[in-house]
Amino acid sequence: LAKTTQPISMDSYEGQEVNITCSHNNIATNDYITWYQQFPSQGPRFIIQGYKTKVTNEVASLFIPADRKSSTLSLPRVSLSDTAVYYCLVGDGKAAGNKLTFGGGTRVLVKP
Amino acid sequence: DVKVTQSSRYLVKRTGEKVFLECVQDMDHENMFWYRQDPGLGLRLIYFSYDVKMKEKGDIPEGYSVSREKKERFSLILESASTNQTSMYLCASRTTVGQGNNEQFFGPGTRLTVL
Repeated sequence: LAKTTQPISMDSYEGQEVNITCSHNNIATNDYITWYQQFPSQGPRFIIQGYKTKVTNEVASLFIPADRKSSTLSLPRVSLSDTAVYYCLVGDGKAAGNKLTFGGGTRVLVKP
Repeated sequence: DVKVTQSSRYLVKRTGEKVFLECVQDMDHENMFWYRQDPGLGLRLIYFSYDVKMKEKGDIPEGYSVSREKKERFSLILESASTNQTSMYLCASRTTVGQGNNEQFFGPGTRLTVL
């Protein structure tokens, strides 16, 4: 399983862009990169997934360089409600025995 | 919307009791997962099931067992609860349809306290 490394915490202010970088040096050819968001007392929620280059949805963008050894989750113009823990995972979604390993995540605090 | 429900939000049990945590999903997903979450340790996978009656150990299966008799239901069993099993337990489900689909849908969690 590909191990991921991400910062423990980040502070930001309302209206700013937040970028969280995740390292996954031993990512496998079939692995996808997935990000989740978790609020206190709730289960994690899927944000975005990508394989290479750039993926964008209504919530975030995901930037993946050509070597795929890292990825950056970008949250545009954050608000107080974006305060949460963000997890980066890599894994092969098609494998029957696929397990995704959640690391410690990045705790993002958005200040007024 | 996919819905994953767990039988209890809060549960208090005594040491040595047998504990059942139930999880039900309504989207015909093939895969189901049980995690526990503790402060500073993130989410750790206990067991997962990729189909009915199929199960595989996760990273921390000791002290737990699981049952998946029907596709929509995945049960976590603590044969003899101990205080170090006090934790938040999260169930998730996922389809294997689609390329590289790693989207898991989580339930609200069960906070279990073992006294």
